[in-house]
Amino acid sequence: EAGVAQSPRYKIIEKRQSVAFWCNPISGHATLYWYQQILGQGPKLLIQFQNNGVVDDSQLPKDRFSAERLKGVDSTLKIQPAKLEDSAVYLCASSLGGPNEKLFFGSGTQLSVL
Amino acid sequence: GNSVTQMEGPVTLSEEAFLTINCTYTATGYPSLFWYVQYPGEGLQLLLKATKADDKGSNKGFEATYRKETTSFHLEKGSVQVSDSAVYFCALSPLSGGYNKLIFGAGTRLAVHP
Repeated sequence: EAGVAQSPRYKIIEKRQSVAFWCNPISGHATLYWYQQILGQGPKLLIQFQNNGVVDDSQLPKDRFSAERLKGVDSTLKIQPAKLEDSAVYLCASSLGGPNEKLFFGSGTQLSVL
Repeated sequence: GNSVTQMEGPVTLSEEAFLTINCTYTATGYPSLFWYVQYPGEGLQLLLKATKADDKGSNKGFEATYRKETTSFHLEKGSVQVSDSAVYFCALSPLSGGYNKLIFGAGTRLAVHP
C-alpha cells in the first residue's frame, strides 16, 4: 500500500516568512497527526485530526501555526511568520483511528529558518 | 503529566552484542507503550508495543516488557546486527478520550559496527 506522502522534502526560508507543508495520509485512515521534531529531541505532537475535526491542538502555537484537513483527507500545516526556533523536521502520520492502532509516518519536511 | 525518559545515546556496540535501551515513563492511569525505530533516511515505524502490565512486545528479535511496578519498558535484543543501526524512540499513549495519541522520548541512537 502507498505510504504517507509529504512535501516538500526540504525547505529553507528566512525568519518572518511564511511556509506551508502538505500531507496525504494513507487511504482510509481517519486520524492524521502533525508532529514537530527538533534536532536531538523526540517528536512533539502539534495537532491531531479525527476525520476533518480537531481532536487535540493543545501544543500548537496558534499565533503563528495553523492547520487544516480538507474533506477529511489531505492536510496542510502553515507557519506565518516563521521564527528561528521553528527549524525542525515536520512529520505527518496517519492511523485507522482506534486505540492502540499503529501510526504510519511520512518521511517529513525538514525546515530551516535563517 | 505524561512523559517518557530514555537513556542518552549514542550506544555503540559490536555485532552480536547484547542490547539494552532503558525507558521509563510517567503517566496517569495505564497507558499503552511502544517502541518506534527510525532507520537512516526513512520514516519512523512501529517496532513493538504492549498495551497492559506484564505484556511483552516482540518483533525482529527485539523485545520489551511492560513493568508497571517500575514504570519501565526497556528494549532488549540478544544479538544485534549492523542493520539494527538506527534511532529508537520509546513512546506512550495515554488513550485519553479513546484516541491514540503518542508522547515520545528523546530517542536513543544505536550504532552497530562489524
